[in-house]
Amino acid sequence: DSGVTQTPKHLITATGQRVTLRCSPRSGDLSVYWYQQSLDQGLQFLIQYYNGEERAKGNILERFSAQQFPDLHSELNLSSLELGDSALYFCASSVDGSISSYEQYFGPGTRLTVT
Amino acid sequence: AQSVTQLGSHVSVSEGALVLLRCNYSSSVPPYLFWYVQYPNQGLQLLLKYTSAATLVKGINGFEAEFKKSETSFHLTKPSAHMSDAAEYFCAVTRSGGYQKVTFGTGTKLQVIP
Repeated sequence: DSGVTQTPKHLITATGQRVTLRCSPRSGDLSVYWYQQSLDQGLQFLIQYYNGEERAKGNILERFSAQQFPDLHSELNLSSLELGDSALYFCASSVDGSISSYEQYFGPGTRLTVT
Repeated sequence: AQSVTQLGSHVSVSEGALVLLRCNYSSSVPPYLFWYVQYPNQGLQLLLKYTSAATLVKGINGFEAEFKKSETSFHLTKPSAHMSDAAEYFCAVTRSGGYQKVTFGTGTKLQVIP
């Protein structure tokens, strides 16, 4: 158990809908990262937040957005969902915002299925 | 731009045999390199990382990797495979110096044959 929690574990929704994925980092970790893992694209870094502020951006679509709240939990919002958005979404956390140096702890993921 | 290439999407080894998973990187600046392991239905777990200190890096579960700048490689090895090593392994690269995105390879699935 990494200490990172993600809810829900599974999510099934229809095209065009909007969903919110939630992540609680390990106690004491200030940084949260979001990743998307699909068979087509592999593992893609989406975005990073550090202590409430956006720090790094990867291949995140404009239909997707994220935020980190004062209690350090984070939410990833996916809107106007398409079939291709079906994937595993991972959250990870680390103590520091510098992802070059510090280990990231991954949550178990949320499996999103868009029908 | 940075990238990693993992050679072989599937690798099979016999139990007790050497494990060698290949990773080559491309980076215009000194890289930081990582190997992660993903067991079925789980998130990723860091095996080891290179952050410009020793070029031979030892990780968990008996794995190690050597950073070779001249070959732009960071191959993962383990002297003797165990059944529990069956998983998917990801190589990843980022730049040194603070807040940078991480680029992952496409992964290598390791099968261990009894």
